[in-house]
Amino acid sequence: GQQVMQIPQYQHVQEGEDFTTYCNSSTTLSNIQWYKQRPGGHPVFLIQLVKSGEVKKQKRLTFQFGEAKKNSSLHITATQTTDVGTYFCAQGGSEKLVFGKGTKLTVNP
Amino acid sequence: AAGVIQSPRHLIKEKRETATLKCYPIPRHDTVYWYQQGPGQDPQFLISFYEKMQSDKGSIPDRFSAQQFSDYHSELNMSSLELGDSALYFCASNVGTGSNSPLHFGNGTRLTVT
Repeated sequence: GQQVMQIPQYQHVQEGEDFTTYCNSSTTLSNIQWYKQRPGGHPVFLIQLVKSGEVKKQKRLTFQFGEAKKNSSLHITATQTTDVGTYFCAQGGSEKLVFGKGTKLTVNP
Repeated sequence: AAGVIQSPRHLIKEKRETATLKCYPIPRHDTVYWYQQGPGQDPQFLISFYEKMQSDKGSIPDRFSAQQFSDYHSELNMSSLELGDSALYFCASNVGTGSNSPLHFGNGTRLTVT
C-alpha cells in the first residue's frame, strides 16, 4: 500500500548540532503525524499537521507541512542526548495510520 | 492519565504453538489498532476495530485473528506460530473511526518464537 518515503534512514550527530528528517508522498496527504520511539519503547505522538504550509513548534522541534501537502519535515535545533530515538512520520486520514520507515537519530555527547 | 495497557509484556512460545495478546484501550477510546514491529523496522498495520467491528485489515496472516469485546478491550489470537512471528506487537487506541486523531500506543508485547 501507499507509504510515505522518509529520509535519511540514519543520522548521527554531535550534541548541539541540528537534525532534520524528511517525509515525501506522491499523493496529497489528509494529515501527517509525527511519532518518536525511544530505544526499547513504544511510538509516542508528537504532532499532527493538517493545513497546507502549516508550521508548528515544540521547544527545539519545528514541524512543517508542505504547501502541496505532499511533504513534511521535522527539524531539531541543538540536539541533546535525550533526543535519541527513531522519528517516524505517519500518513493519517484513512482507517489506519501508515508509518514511514523512520529516521534513527543517535547523538554523540 | 490512563494509558493503553497490553499484556503480557513478554511471551516466549515454540513453533506451532498459539498465543493470545490482550489490549485495554484508554477509557472512552472506541478504536483499537494492532501493529507488528520487527527489529529495526517500522510498525506494520495488522488490523483495527471501531465500536467492536473490524474497520480495516492490513498484512495480518490468516493464522491470526482478533476481536474487540463489549468493554472495548481487544485480543489478538495467533496460531501455528512461526519463527518469523517473533516481533514487538503494539496495540494503539484513539477516538472515532480512522487516523484523523493521534494514536496512543501501549508498551507492546515482545513475542519470541523458538
